[in-house]
Amino acid sequence: GQQVMQIPQYQHVQEGEDFTTYCNSSTTLSNIQWYKQRPGGHPVFLIQLVKSGEVKKQKRLTFQFGEAKKNSSLHITATQTTDVGTYFCADKHQTGANNLFFGTGTRLTVIP
Amino acid sequence: DAGVIQSPRHEVTEMGQEVTLRCKPISGHNSLFWYRQTMMRGLELLIYFNNNVPIDDSGMPEDRFSAKMPNASFSTLKIQPSEPRDSAVYFCASSPQGTTNEKLFFGSGTQLSVL
Repeated sequence: GQQVMQIPQYQHVQEGEDFTTYCNSSTTLSNIQWYKQRPGGHPVFLIQLVKSGEVKKQKRLTFQFGEAKKNSSLHITATQTTDVGTYFCADKHQTGANNLFFGTGTRLTVIP
Repeated sequence: DAGVIQSPRHEVTEMGQEVTLRCKPISGHNSLFWYRQTMMRGLELLIYFNNNVPIDDSGMPEDRFSAKMPNASFSTLKIQPSEPRDSAVYFCASSPQGTTNEKLFFGSGTQLSVL
C-alpha cells in the first residue's frame, strides 16, 4: 500500500531540546494529518494541513506543509517528558479518497 | 460522549482457532477503518467502510481475514484460521467523512496473541 516515509525512525533528546520529524512522499498529497501515539496507547489526531506552504502552531508544536505538497514537518520546541511517544503523519493521495495511510512514524524519547 | 469501543482488549488464542474482534464506532460517524499495528510493518490499513459498505479492502492480508459492518453501530474483523504471524494490535477507527474535519478517532485496540 501507499506509505510516506518519515525520518528519523527514532530520536532521543534531552528535556528542553528541540525535536523535528519529517514526512516525505514521492507523490503530491491532497492533505496531511499528524497523530501522536503514547506508549501503550492509540493514535490521537493532532492536526490537518491542506494548503501548500501552510504553517500551523499548537503551543510548542509547529506543523508545516511543503510548497509542493510532497513533504511535511513537525517541530517541537523545548521538549517535555509529556511529549514522549510516536508521531505519525498520514496522507490521502487522492482528493475524495477516504483511505488514510500512515507513515512509518518517529519514536521520540525525552530524557529528563 | 463515548469514543470508539473495541472488544476484547486482549485476546490470546492458539493457532488454528477463529478470532473475532469487535468495534462500535462513534455515533454519527459514517466511515470505519480497521488497522493492524506491528513493530515491523507499522500501522497498516486493512479495510475501510463508508456508510456500512466496504470501499477498499486491498489491505486485507489474505482470505483468512474478513470484515463486516452489518449496521452503522457495529463492525467485526474475523480471522479464521488464526496464525502466529497475525499477532498484532488491531485498531478500529471512525470518522465523520464528508465534513471538513475528517480526522480519525481510534479505539483502544485489541492486543492479539496467537500461540
